[in-house]
Amino acid sequence: DQQVKQNSPSLSVQEGRISILNCDYTNSMFDYFLWYKKYPAEGPTFLISISSIKDKNEDGRFTVFLNKSAKHLSLHIVPSQPGDSAVYFCASGTYKYIFGTGTRLKVLA
Amino acid sequence: DAMVIQNPRYQVTQFGKPVTLSCSQTLNHNVMYWYQQKSSQAPKLLFHYYDKDFNNEADTPDNFQSRRPNTSFCFLDIRSPGLGDAAMYLCATSRSTSRETQYFGPGTRLLVL
Repeated sequence: DQQVKQNSPSLSVQEGRISILNCDYTNSMFDYFLWYKKYPAEGPTFLISISSIKDKNEDGRFTVFLNKSAKHLSLHIVPSQPGDSAVYFCASGTYKYIFGTGTRLKVLA
Repeated sequence: DAMVIQNPRYQVTQFGKPVTLSCSQTLNHNVMYWYQQKSSQAPKLLFHYYDKDFNNEADTPDNFQSRRPNTSFCFLDIRSPGLGDAAMYLCATSRSTSRETQYFGPGTRLLVL
């Protein structure tokens, strides 16, 4: 029973365009949400987070949107750069986090 | 400056031979976690320590044990590794458990022969 789902295993985007990565969760009690980026042979690196009291959080090129009624969050990367090519994991929870299976983003130069 | 360090990066063990993976942190965080990640799957939490308090996930097999002798170090012991235990093992830390960022180490890839 996957409580956190990333339904797109992969995504390709042209350099300079917007990348949109999606994540769905099932547990309405989840109140904190994070995105991590993972390069090969490295551990996940924290990118951005959002609390359930907000619907948007922005940090430079990265913006996370939260739609609580739809139990959906998304990560927008604008503009996308080749160095953004990595696997992106969303994580959701309260005092411990459930991770999605990840979306592999490839930014084409 | 490495903040969460895992050794070794690659570990090969034999079926049934006990193995220990180690994790250390320079962040002085209260909480340390161990995750198991198999290929194309989500990282799965095995257990965590809040200071010296051990918290096991309900579905973590008894074959997996952990020790935290001090704030900086945490060990994952696999008593009798099976072929299904081959995975990436990730250690993470956080200041507390509620709405906190978890910081991950690079992981140890375990191969069971």
